[in-house]
Amino acid sequence: EPEVTQTPSHQVTQMGQEVILRCVPISNHLYFYWYRQILGQKVEFLVSFYNNEISEKSEIFDDQFSVERPDGSNFTLKIRSTKLEDSAMYFCASLLGGGLNIQYFGAGTRLSVL
Amino acid sequence: AQTVTQSQPEMSVQEAETVTLSCTYDTSESDYYLFWYKQPPSRQMILVIRQEAYKQQNATENRFSVNFQKAAKSFSLKISDSQLGDAAMYFCAYSYTGTASKLTFGTGTRLQVTL
Repeated sequence: EPEVTQTPSHQVTQMGQEVILRCVPISNHLYFYWYRQILGQKVEFLVSFYNNEISEKSEIFDDQFSVERPDGSNFTLKIRSTKLEDSAMYFCASLLGGGLNIQYFGAGTRLSVL
Repeated sequence: AQTVTQSQPEMSVQEAETVTLSCTYDTSESDYYLFWYKQPPSRQMILVIRQEAYKQQNATENRFSVNFQKAAKSFSLKISDSQLGDAAMYFCAYSYTGTASKLTFGTGTRLQVTL
């Protein structure tokens, strides 16, 4: 069964460093998302992406964040200068489109900022 | 803005018994989708069940069913014949029917399944 793949599973970084979280969505899906879950809290929407541009972004998704689909398969989230409060689980999701509106999630990347 | 509320931080059920998890939401939209996602200790979000707001019939997936009350903006999940593998965090989520709609999640209910 096709699945969303995220790498790495765990990323440790120093405050102020740049990180890139990678996702390979399901191959024929057209819509892509990033969500964040701080430990013990609810899952929060960050950004949605379609046709090579951002469709919607939340207040969390400030200038420190960017997304890119550099090729036909990868979808990345970059955090330019990480802060302690960026420590969280980051989930990528993809959606086929066409009405079912079901988002399929990857297993997540745990980001630890020290 | 849409909000999703799960008022039960934790629930417990004995194996083979039935449990109901509650969810309420607030929206001004008339057409939308509602979801229950399961998050086991592995942290992956797994879709359990989906309901389209324009459908009056409650969705069912094997042991999982929902009670969708549109007027009351209520969307509860019933798990029948609970199994140890059902132990997880359960999130209720909402999305409107627009293209590329984001999911808005509740705070989750941790379900414990005991022998």
